[in-house]
Amino acid sequence: KNEVEQSPQNLTAQEGEFITINCSYSVGISALHWLQQHPGGGIVSLFMLSSGKKKHGRLIATINIQEKHSSLHITASHPRDSAVYICAASGGGADGLTFGKGTHLIIQP
Amino acid sequence: NAGVMQNPRHLVRRRGQEARLRCSPMKGHSHVYWYRQLPEEGLKFMVYLQKENIIDESGMPKERFSAEFPKEGPSILRIQQVVRGDSAAYFCASSSRTGRDQPQHFGDGTRLSIL
Repeated sequence: KNEVEQSPQNLTAQEGEFITINCSYSVGISALHWLQQHPGGGIVSLFMLSSGKKKHGRLIATINIQEKHSSLHITASHPRDSAVYICAASGGGADGLTFGKGTHLIIQP
Repeated sequence: NAGVMQNPRHLVRRRGQEARLRCSPMKGHSHVYWYRQLPEEGLKFMVYLQKENIIDESGMPKERFSAEFPKEGPSILRIQQVVRGDSAAYFCASSSRTGRDQPQHFGDGTRLSIL
C-alpha cells in the first residue's frame, strides 16, 4: 500500500515569495499528480508527471523517481495562489489515486 | 467542451434517507472514479468504474454504498440509510483510457450534509 506524505501542512508567505511544497511516496508509481483545491471548490489538475520536470506559467513540478520525491514550486507568488495543494500518486498497486493530506497555502499581499 | 459535471452541488439529507450523487464524465471518457473527502481529512479512493462494469471497489464501505455506470447516462453513487458520518464532499473524476498513468479530470464535487 502506498503512503503519500506532504510537507508542510500549512504555509503562509508574502506576495512575491518563492514557494516549495514537497511530496514523498513509499512505493513505485506510474505517475505523480499535483492538484489545486480552493475552499469549497472543485479540484483542478495542475500537473501529471512520471519523470523530470514540467512548467506551466509560474508553476514548476519536479520528480525524482529514485528518491520517490516530488516538489511543486510557485515563483512570484500571488494572493490568488492561496489554495490547498494536493499531491497524489497513481499506480503502486491501486487503481485510484492515493492522496497526500494537502498543503494549505496562504499568500498575503 | 464540458468538463466533468457533478450534481447536485449540495445535498442535504436526514438520517435514514437515501442519497444519490450523479457524475457525467467528460465527453469521450469512459472511465470514472469516485473519491470521498471527509471533513479535515484527505481524499480517499472509493470506486473505479468503466461503462457497465465495476473494476475496483476496494475503497467502498461494505454496506449501504453502491455505484454504477450504465451504458447510457451518468455514473451514480448511491448511499442508503445515510448516517451523520457520511457527511463529506464526494468527487468524481474521469479519464479517457485505462492505465494508471492517465490524467484524471475532476468535477466540482457534491457536498453531502446529513442532519
